[in-house]
Amino acid sequence: QKEVEQDPGPLSVPEGAIVSLNCTYSNSAFQYFMWYRQYSRKGPELLMYTYSSGNKEDGRFTAQVDKSSKYISLFIRDSQPSDSATYLCAAWDTGNQFYFGTGTSLTVIP
Amino acid sequence: DVKVTQSSRYLVKRTGEKVFLECVQDMDHENMFWYRQDPGLGLRLIYFSYDVKMKEKGDIPEGYSVSREKKERFSLILESASTNQTSMYLCASSPNQPQHFGDGTRLSIL
Repeated sequence: QKEVEQDPGPLSVPEGAIVSLNCTYSNSAFQYFMWYRQYSRKGPELLMYTYSSGNKEDGRFTAQVDKSSKYISLFIRDSQPSDSATYLCAAWDTGNQFYFGTGTSLTVIP
Repeated sequence: DVKVTQSSRYLVKRTGEKVFLECVQDMDHENMFWYRQDPGLGLRLIYFSYDVKMKEKGDIPEGYSVSREKKERFSLILESASTNQTSMYLCASSPNQPQHFGDGTRLSIL
């Protein structure tokens, strides 16, 4: 079993929809959780970063962590075509390694 | 803003060649990482370094080596390139917080 599991999609939504991207993890030692956005032929860009459980909001993006169920989510409100990208979730136990999901491909249709 | 620069965006080499991929970061981060990214497999850690002249093997170190002579520079070396090393290579740096990535080198081995 991988440390972080992510549905690869692809996910296709109309412009303006609310998008929900989800990951599960297996290691209860994970303390920090990240979401990265990766456009085609570019490196991953850090989007959101949360510590432990709870919600964090940044504009149209909300990251949510539920440590009791080992579930992490990213919500995108009022989705735009420019949000079309691959989204990677990641977890970190404050050691030297980070653990990534395989990514979910999102297309927002105008 | 953190800047992680990879020396080449695209590289084509021949089987058996020794290949050098260079990465430089400008934020004085202790930790640097090399990943490869393949469709369906996500990010796989090759090597990481937490200090100058220090290196640790990741999940798939076979066929690779690294060099970190200066804090800001981390090099990945393919000792004798093979076709199964055709991939997207991503460098990242981290000050014990979420990683920041470069834009990647798309390497093709013919």
